[in-house]
Amino acid sequence: EPEVTQTPSHQVTQMGQEVILRCVPISNHLYFYWYRQILGQKVEFLVSFYNNEISEKSEIFDDQFSVERPDGSNFTLKIRSTKLEDSAMYFCASSFSGWGTEAFFGQGTRLTVV
Amino acid sequence: SQQGEEDPQALSIQEGENATMNCSYKTSINNLQWYRQNSGRGLVHLILIRSNEREKHSGRLRVTLDTSKKSSSLLITASRAADTASYFCASGGEQAGTALIFGKGTTLSVSS
Repeated sequence: EPEVTQTPSHQVTQMGQEVILRCVPISNHLYFYWYRQILGQKVEFLVSFYNNEISEKSEIFDDQFSVERPDGSNFTLKIRSTKLEDSAMYFCASSFSGWGTEAFFGQGTRLTVV
Repeated sequence: SQQGEEDPQALSIQEGENATMNCSYKTSINNLQWYRQNSGRGLVHLILIRSNEREKHSGRLRVTLDTSKKSSSLLITASRAADTASYFCASGGEQAGTALIFGKGTTLSVSS
């Protein structure tokens, strides 16, 4: 069964460093998303991406965040200068139509900023 | 915001009992989805109900949707210890491409 894969599963970084979280969405999906979940809290929407551009973003997704689809398979989230409060589980998701269809989530990358 | 909000926040039951979780949302939706998350793991899609549907079944899951009250419920019948997880509702907006907005989740514990 096709699945969304994320790497790494866990990343530890020092405050102020840049991190890139990687995702391989399901191959025929057209909409891609990043969500995050701070430990014990709700799943928060960060950004959606369609047709090689951001289609929607939340207030959390400020200038320190960026997304890219560098090739036909990968979808990345870059955090330019990490803060302690960026520590969270980051989930990538993809869906076929982005509207009225289910989203498939990866297993997540646990980011720990020290 | 079209956030879904679940209640109860936590639910503890015995195996074989039914578990009911409720969700409310604020704005008009195209669909409402339920996801499951085992501790520290990813989100697994359970079921999607569209705004023009009132009830949907999938195995031991039954979902209802009341758009007039902006609420949904998830019923898990004959629960098993393996159902222990967090359950989230996520509302899908009316416009194409809008992201799912998740509620805070219900933590279900099923003891054997």
